[in-house]
Amino acid sequence: QSALTQPASVSGSPGQSITISCTGTSNDIGAYNFVSWYQHHPGKAPKLIIYEVTNRPSGVPDRFSGSKSGNTASLTISGLQAEDEADYYCSSYAITSTLFGGGTKLTVL
Amino acid sequence: EVQLVQSGAEVKKPGEPLKISCKASGYSFSNQWIGWVRQMPGKGLEWMGIIFPGDSDTRYSPSFQGHVTISADKSIGAAYLQWRSLKASDTAMYYCARSRGNFWNGYYTPYYFDSWGQGTLVTVSS
Repeated sequence: QSALTQPASVSGSPGQSITISCTGTSNDIGAYNFVSWYQHHPGKAPKLIIYEVTNRPSGVPDRFSGSKSGNTASLTISGLQAEDEADYYCSSYAITSTLFGGGTKLTVL
Repeated sequence: EVQLVQSGAEVKKPGEPLKISCKASGYSFSNQWIGWVRQMPGKGLEWMGIIFPGDSDTRYSPSFQGHVTISADKSIGAAYLQWRSLKASDTAMYYCARSRGNFWNGYYTPYYFDSWGQGTLVTVSS
């Protein structure tokens, strides 16, 4: 099974919005609403920010939102803040396993 | 509060065995899946596998099946990741994390990690 496909990097200025895409197949993202997103600051543990495509865990700001269309899931961060600079990973259930994307480095300019 | 505390960094030689641990607290350990994620130097996250401590039901990624063993001791609330013979390519940060999910076709399907350990750095070098 191949990893999900994410852009290597995205950037935006404070206050702007950015969207990170995550492309899979009809066997993973396209088949289940079991998509999650993680924020990972280097040197710290990853943090769950979205699960089941659109749900935010308690404590995650509503600036973070998720969506899905066909085989592609997306994470949108609105009102960018300096502390949002991190690596972001998507993940999807894929019946025999769970897959991660390759990760996207978000730079806040 | 859910807490996952992992064992400390390890430096090993190729061919040596290793078992790292993850001690859980703050929730019912036996009744929730827990798993492991690898991050090789400069690379992304990789899902290795999960275990249900209550009955030791274990699911592995095809990429890791046969290369590592995931186990758990529900009597002390600990999960383990084990190698019989390490390789240099096992050098990585390993995270344990509690796995949650939802029902699909009548079966509970764990697929995301909502609480993570601090990570254990494993270095394998001759």
